[in-house]
Amino acid sequence: AQSVTQPDIHITVSEGASLELRCNYSYGATPYLFWYVQSPGQGLQLLLKYFSGDTLVQGIKGFEAEFKRSQSSFNLRKPSVHWSDAAEYFCAVGGNNDMRFGAGTRLTVKP
Amino acid sequence: NAGVTQTPKFQVLKTGQSMTLQCAQDMNHEYMSWYRQDPGMGLRLIHYSVGAGITDQGEVPNGYNVSRSTTEDFPLRLLSAAPSQTSVYFCASSYLSTGVELFFGSGTQLSVL
Repeated sequence: AQSVTQPDIHITVSEGASLELRCNYSYGATPYLFWYVQSPGQGLQLLLKYFSGDTLVQGIKGFEAEFKRSQSSFNLRKPSVHWSDAAEYFCAVGGNNDMRFGAGTRLTVKP
Repeated sequence: NAGVTQTPKFQVLKTGQSMTLQCAQDMNHEYMSWYRQDPGMGLRLIHYSVGAGITDQGEVPNGYNVSRSTTEDFPLRLLSAAPSQTSVYFCASSYLSTGVELFFGSGTQLSVL
C-alpha cells in the first residue's frame, strides 16, 4: 500500500532564506506526486504535481520540487521564502480514491 | 465560480446527536470525497463517490454515511456522534482520471462533547 512520510513536523526559516521540505513515499508503481499548501482556516491548494518526464517540476508561488526515484523522494524547495509562505504543507501520492497524504509540515517564517 | 462549498464552517455536537455536513461543487466533477484531518495524521479518506448513485468506503468510514443523488452534492452524515469524531472535515472533488488535482472546500471544524 502506498504511504507518505514527511519527516519534519515543524520548520522555522527566516524571511529571504531558502527552504526545503522533505517527502518520502512508498508506492508500487510510477507514482503521481503532489504538494498542497494549507493556509490557516482554509482548504488545501495545489502547489505542483509530478506524473512523468522532467524530474524537476515548477509550481505556483515560486515553488519547485524534484522527483528522485532512487531515493523515493519528492522534496519541495523555494529559493527565498516570503512571510506569506507561512502555512502547512502536505505531500501526497496517488490519485482519486487512493490518494495518501503525509502528516504535514508546518512552516513558520521569522521576520 | 464558487468551486467546492462546505457548510457549516463550525459545529458543536453532543455525544449521540446526528448531523449532516453539506458539500456542493459547481465544476461538474464526477469524483467527490470526504476527508478528516487530525493533528499529526494528515488527511484520511472517509468516503468517496465516482458519480451519482455510486459511493464507496475509504480508509476510515465507520460512523459516517454518504449518498450521492446528484453530481453536485455529496453530504456526509454522522448518525450518532462520538468524541472520536472531533476533527476538521474537508470535502474535495476532481475529474475522474488518474493523478488529477483535488479541489478542496474550506473545511468544517466539528467538536463532539
